[in-house]
Order: sequence, then structure tokens, then C-alpha cells
Amino acid sequence: GQNIDQPTEMTATEGAIVQINCTYQTSGFNGLFWYQQHAGEAPTFLSYNVLDGLEEKGRFSSFLSRSKGYSYLLLKELQMKDSASYLCAALDSNYQLIWGAGTKLIIKP
Amino acid sequence: GAVVSQHPSWVICKSGTSVKIECRSLDFQATTMFWYRQFPKQSLMLMATSNEGSKATYEQGVEKDKFLINHASLTLSTLTVTSAHPEDSSFYICSANIGGDSYEQYFGPGTRLTVT
Repeated sequence: GQNIDQPTEMTATEGAIVQINCTYQTSGFNGLFWYQQHAGEAPTFLSYNVLDGLEEKGRFSSFLSRSKGYSYLLLKELQMKDSASYLCAALDSNYQLIWGAGTKLIIKP
Repeated sequence: GAVVSQHPSWVICKSGTSVKIECRSLDFQATTMFWYRQFPKQSLMLMATSNEGSKATYEQGVEKDKFLINHASLTLSTLTVTSAHPEDSSFYICSANIGGDSYEQYFGPGTRLTVT
């Protein structure tokens, strides 16, 4: 079966760094997405990785290892507004997104 | 660019009535649109995938006669919840895909449905 695993909840301190991990098992693989979702709102796109390695975009970076079926989202210089759920989603061989359950990130002052 | 709108933002209806939710891609043509449902504190659950001019593909466990999807044009898809029940109360979100080499989904703002 197809499966995406990510921690349910994480807590971090304002100004710090946090890494949210995601492992995936899919039938075929065509890339991995990270989305941010604030409570009561729709998800917004953060990143898309299809090749191995780290991609940096401002305070957010995303890493992919295809051989390990593993990705992480790295958030630096955390701000209170970063409190949200972070969704990992893998694109399978049919180009369908398989969604993880999301990681709720709580930022404390 | 790549803006998706949904209407209404929220709706309250009585049990047994039907509710239609519209999803529009405002500045691009969406080859594929997706409908999701999300219960509080849970992740997105894909309900169906629709391509313009063809029947929607429903996920296992989603009743196609209850959740009617029409994708009449490249910029509009509608979801009709028929004979709504309180357990249908949820956050319904649509997304759209431009197609080609892009697999990113652009999400609408969501519709919060409450059935009383």
C-alpha cells in the first residue's frame, strides 16, 4: 500500500530551527510536495522536490532522498506566524498526490 | 497567478437539502480539479478527481450519487452535496492543476459546510 508518515505534532521556540521529517512508500514516485496549512484555511504551496538534495527558499528549505524514501522541511528563524500544520505529499506513478496526515507545529515565545 | 476561488465560503443548511459549492480557476485553465474534505484536526481526504468534460473519478468509500461533481469547463467545477446530513458537516476544499509538466495543486480557500 501507499503510505506517508510524519510526526503528529512538534513544538519549537521562536527564533529557533525545526526539522519536520516525512517518510513515504508509494507505487512509483514523481516528486514530493510540502504545503503549509493554517487552521481553518486551505493549504498553500511551500516546495516541490523531485531530485535528491536540498532546496532552499528563504527561511524554508526542503530535502529529498529518493533512495531512502525520506524528506524533511527545515524552518529557520521561527516566527509565531509559522504555527500551522505542515503537510507532506508524494506524487505517485499515476501522478496522484498521496497526502500525509500533517504535522502540527506549535511555536512558543 | 494561479488563483482558485470557492463559493460560498461557508454555508449552513438543513438536513435533507442539497448544497452546491463552486470552484473556479480565475487566471488559468485547469485540466484537472480535485475535491477534498477535511474534518477538524485531520488531514485532507481526497474525494474525487475531475477532468473537464468527463465523469469524475471518486475515491473508494465516497458515494458518487451523494457527492455530485460537474466539471463543465476548464475554469469551473461544482460539488453538490445531496440530501445533506449532519455528518456531512466538514471543510470542503477544491484544488486545480494547470497540467503539462506542473503537478502542483492550487487550492481554493475552502467552504465550511454545517448541516443542522
